[in-house]
Amino acid sequence: GAGVSQTPSNKVTEKGKYVELRCDPISGHTALYWYRQSLGQGPEFLIYFQGTGAADDSGLPNDRFFAVRPEGSVSTLKIQRTERGDSAVYLCASSTSFGEGTDTQYFGPGTRLTVL
Amino acid sequence: AQSVSQHNHHVILSEAASLELGCNYSYGGTVNLFWYVQYPGQHLQLLLKYFSGDPLVKGIKGFEAEFIKSKFSFNLRKPSVQWSDTAEYFCAVNAKAGTALIFGKGTTLSVSS
Repeated sequence: GAGVSQTPSNKVTEKGKYVELRCDPISGHTALYWYRQSLGQGPEFLIYFQGTGAADDSGLPNDRFFAVRPEGSVSTLKIQRTERGDSAVYLCASSTSFGEGTDTQYFGPGTRLTVL
Repeated sequence: AQSVSQHNHHVILSEAASLELGCNYSYGGTVNLFWYVQYPGQHLQLLLKYFSGDPLVKGIKGFEAEFIKSKFSFNLRKPSVQWSDTAEYFCAVNAKAGTALIFGKGTTLSVSS
């Protein structure tokens, strides 16, 4: 079946601009995660949704970052007043969640954000 | 706080050589453990996972990993690598289902034919 999809694949913006990154999870997956991967690093957690609600947003670096999942499927990560330090690959993952031993996160291809 | 350490930043091997990539985690409770692989130009894919039971787990493409609880380790192994195994490998852990993964910094494996 179809995997996690993310759009756009690349986004170049200027410092101070607003950007939206979209994630379409695997059909039927109730859990959705956003991670950020900087060059030479592993992915770092940003926010996790269970259904429509953010179950854990402890990884969001500051209040310029916000994410929504209004219908419990597609999610949008929003970044206001972008800074050069926001440049990274933003990854989305989804899982069926719940139950010990059943939660495997499947990742999308990522959106490469470049802030000039 | 949880953390994951991958000891090797870049490993270079010839085809048919054996592979072992180290992974240690820092967490006092029960964990789920994962190895993900990212082939050039592709997205992160699950290689194998450990939740409970037999500490020796087998994944795709001949990879296996052994969970040693006393050493907080989950090392990845393959007896004979192929050129197509050239990729970046990430070890990851989470405390329980439905929580964020904590990743190591990754190990780049280069296999020459």
